[in-house]
Amino acid sequence: AQTVTQSQPEMSVQEAETVTLSCTYDTSESDYYLFWYKQPPSRQMILVIRQEAYKQQNATENRFSVNFQKAAKSFSLKISDSQLGDAAMYFCAYSIQGAQKLVFGQGTRLTINP
Amino acid sequence: DSGVTQTPKHLITATGQRVTLRCSPRSGDLSVYWYQQSLDQGLQFLIQYYNGEERAKGNILERFSAQQFPDLHSELNLSSLELGDSALYFCASSVHPSGGSIDTQYFGPGTRLTVL
Repeated sequence: AQTVTQSQPEMSVQEAETVTLSCTYDTSESDYYLFWYKQPPSRQMILVIRQEAYKQQNATENRFSVNFQKAAKSFSLKISDSQLGDAAMYFCAYSIQGAQKLVFGQGTRLTINP
Repeated sequence: DSGVTQTPKHLITATGQRVTLRCSPRSGDLSVYWYQQSLDQGLQFLIQYYNGEERAKGNILERFSAQQFPDLHSELNLSSLELGDSALYFCASSVHPSGGSIDTQYFGPGTRLTVL
């Protein structure tokens, strides 16, 4: 079965500090894509960052970066210089080449302490 | 704003009733996906349409059906509603499930369905 596991139901961090959210996944496919989505209290699902599995270089988007370990099937999200607006549920997800549905983890609720 | 629109934002109805949720994809996107977010099941893929044709099915109940129209908007029909159908229903769209590149899905704001 294809699964995504986010082992941290909740995380908190001080404003301006760095936090890392964990994600592991299980797939037998070799060609797939990984995503982090953010869901703030408005409930909108917002794409944060994405990574092609065939790329060794870790993706970066401003303060957001990933640590992609393909052999370990791990895809963690690092948020640097945390801001109050980063408070949200964060979902890790992947999709397989040719089967475009997203498989989501259960989410991590991130709280930013001022 | 992702460019994906969903109506209505909220829907309250009774058990046994039927409702229709509507989604308009981003301009140029050919694929539409429906997801259900509930407290106990998390985010679950329901169904995908590409250019009017069903492309993939997930954990969609037989009481639920969907279609994509020639103008590419999509509707999700939920019938014989049960209390457990209460959830947030998301529509997402993407350009095309083409090979060799990431096909990123952009989500609409969701429709919150409450079944009483």
